[in-house]
Amino acid sequence: EPEVTQTPSHQVTQMGQEVILRCVPISNHLYFYWYRQILGQKVEFLVSFYNNEISEKSEIFDDQFSVERPDGSNFTLKIRSTKLEDSAMYFCASSKDRGYDNEQFFGPGTRLTVL
Amino acid sequence: RKEVEQDPGPFNVPEGATVAFNCTYSNSASQSFFWYRQDCRKEPKLLMSVYSSGNEDGRFTAQLNRASQYISLLIRDSKLSDSATYLCVAHNAGNMLTFGGGTRLMVKP
Repeated sequence: EPEVTQTPSHQVTQMGQEVILRCVPISNHLYFYWYRQILGQKVEFLVSFYNNEISEKSEIFDDQFSVERPDGSNFTLKIRSTKLEDSAMYFCASSKDRGYDNEQFFGPGTRLTVL
Repeated sequence: RKEVEQDPGPFNVPEGATVAFNCTYSNSASQSFFWYRQDCRKEPKLLMSVYSSGNEDGRFTAQLNRASQYISLLIRDSKLSDSATYLCVAHNAGNMLTFGGGTRLMVKP
């Protein structure tokens, strides 16, 4: 069964450093998403992406964040200057379509620890 | 804010028991709803979708009451493997999912 993959599984970085989290969505999916989950808290939407553009973003997704689809398979989330409060699990997801009945498939996540 | 609220639990039940979780949502424009299951430190995985009048999938039944903005999940004949956190999720405009905080279920032998 096709699945979303994410690398690395765990990233440790120093405050102020840039990090890039990588995702490979399911190959025939067209819509891509990033969510994050701070330990013990809700899963929160960050951004959705379609046709090489951001479709929607939350208030969390400020100027420190950016997303890119650099080639035909990867989808990346960049945090320019990490803060302690960016420590969280970051989940990538993809869906075939954008309708209300379309399942978003989640990757296994990247645990980001900012020291 | 467009919130989804759940009782965090934990619900501790013996194997074979029936357990029900509830969820309320504040955004009346939400079009569809889902129950996701999340195991400890893992990604959310879709358990079932919940549409207008609800649906059933084996031991799991989900109900939606739009008038009350209320969703439920019923698990019959609980198994040890059902132990997890159950996330109530609303699909809102902009193709974003809004997650509840989850209800933790512990099924004991």
